[in-house]
Amino acid sequence: DQQVKQNSPSLSVQEGRISILNCDYTNSMFDYFLWYKKYPAEGPTFLISISSIKDKNEDGRFTVFLNKSAKHLSLHIVPSQPGDSAVYFCAASSSNTGNQFYFGTGTSLTVIP
Amino acid sequence: DAGVIQSPRHEVTEMGQEVTLRCKPISGHNSLFWYRQTMMRGLELLIYFNNNVPIDDSGMPEDRFSAKMPNASFSTLKIQPSEPRDSAVYFCASRQEILNTEAFFGQGTRLTVV
Repeated sequence: DQQVKQNSPSLSVQEGRISILNCDYTNSMFDYFLWYKKYPAEGPTFLISISSIKDKNEDGRFTVFLNKSAKHLSLHIVPSQPGDSAVYFCAASSSNTGNQFYFGTGTSLTVIP
Repeated sequence: DAGVIQSPRHEVTEMGQEVTLRCKPISGHNSLFWYRQTMMRGLELLIYFNNNVPIDDSGMPEDRFSAKMPNASFSTLKIQPSEPRDSAVYFCASRQEILNTEAFFGQGTRLTVV
């Protein structure tokens, strides 16, 4: 059973515009959330994280928003750049149930120059 | 540190053969994860070790899969016998759990079973 879901397999955005990637989760015990970026033939690399005590975390062009009541988080990239084209994975973990990371299926972002 | 090191990068084997994937975590990290990437399930957690002890192996698909972590600097994932449906990219990741940091991934092993 997929505890972390990314319902959009792909997204295309014009360079300079905002990219919004979405993620839903089912386990209310999750208290730490992360976004990873993956280029072809490489391992995923960490992008940004958020603890459940916050509802927003910002790092440069990247902002993650957490809506605990809706069990939803999103990643905003502003402005989008062609180098942002990659697969983005959402992940979640719970400090109460072992700290292992559960990942979604990924969203492939294409930023069009 | 060189990061998480996986070997081999690519493995092609015939159905029925034994396959062993290897991982060297980042020095000082006390958690290690094995993931399998597929189109249908994304990054699927197979097994999670903490301080060399398997904590959660509920993601291991069946008895053909086994994983070991004999010491803090080495882990293996073995498939015996391998089947074509095992073809995927397998990732190893490590983390320093006390610091509650993110997990760092290796570059993966692309396994093809023909």
